Amino acid sequence: DTGVSQNPRHKITKRGQNVTFRCDPISEHNRLYWYRQTLGQGPEFLTYFQNEAQLEKSRLLSDRFSAERPKGSFSTLEIQRTEQGDSAMYLCASSQVGQYQPQHFGDGTRLSIL
Amino acid sequence: DQQVKQNSPSLSVQEGRISILNCDYTNSMFDYFLWYKKYPAEGPTFLISISSIKDKNEDGRFTVFLNKSAKHLSLHIVPSQPGDSAVYFCAAGSGTSYGKLTFGQGTILTVHP
Repeated sequence: DTGVSQNPRHKITKRGQNVTFRCDPISEHNRLYWYRQTLGQGPEFLTYFQNEAQLEKSRLLSDRFSAERPKGSFSTLEIQRTEQGDSAMYLCASSQVGQYQPQHFGDGTRLSIL
Repeated sequence: DQQVKQNSPSLSVQEGRISILNCDYTNSMFDYFLWYKKYPAEGPTFLISISSIKDKNEDGRFTVFLNKSAKHLSLHIVPSQPGDSAVYFCAAGSGTSYGKLTFGQGTILTVHP
């Protein structure tokens, strides 16, 4: 169990640029989740996948955000035309399928928009 | 609409004493509750969970209590250790959407030697 891995750990970009983050879940976990966390708040749910299927999306996930999990393994989260308000920590988590399975988080990607 | 609330932003306790962290929720559909611990520059680490069919779950020094009628849960840490100093988040999920967890704002716990 190597844990959930996220890359990059930090991303600094100019407003209007596109950014992409990657998440590698724990290998035997079929479910993968994305959350966003801002200072002083708890993580906020963005979306989740079971295998390749994106099963739920939050209203927070505007049209500028897209997430994929093409082969049911790693996932990418892309933000197009970044805005100042996108500055946050983006967290990925994974879990096994089944009732009451805890989600295990990676260390996140911190996005800073200049 | 804050469906999960941790009303105490911070808590300070002496080493060896009990730490009690509280969490309230409003959504009656929540039936699964978790506590996470977070150190700076790291992601949240899962600590302990409880489903709504139970009112207590224990794992070593950590015990979670659930009061469904009051929509309240608490995490007890006994005895508290300096290494327990971190931000603690409670989170809730429901049977209709096991993918989504709703988190509280967090409580900063400081355990003094």
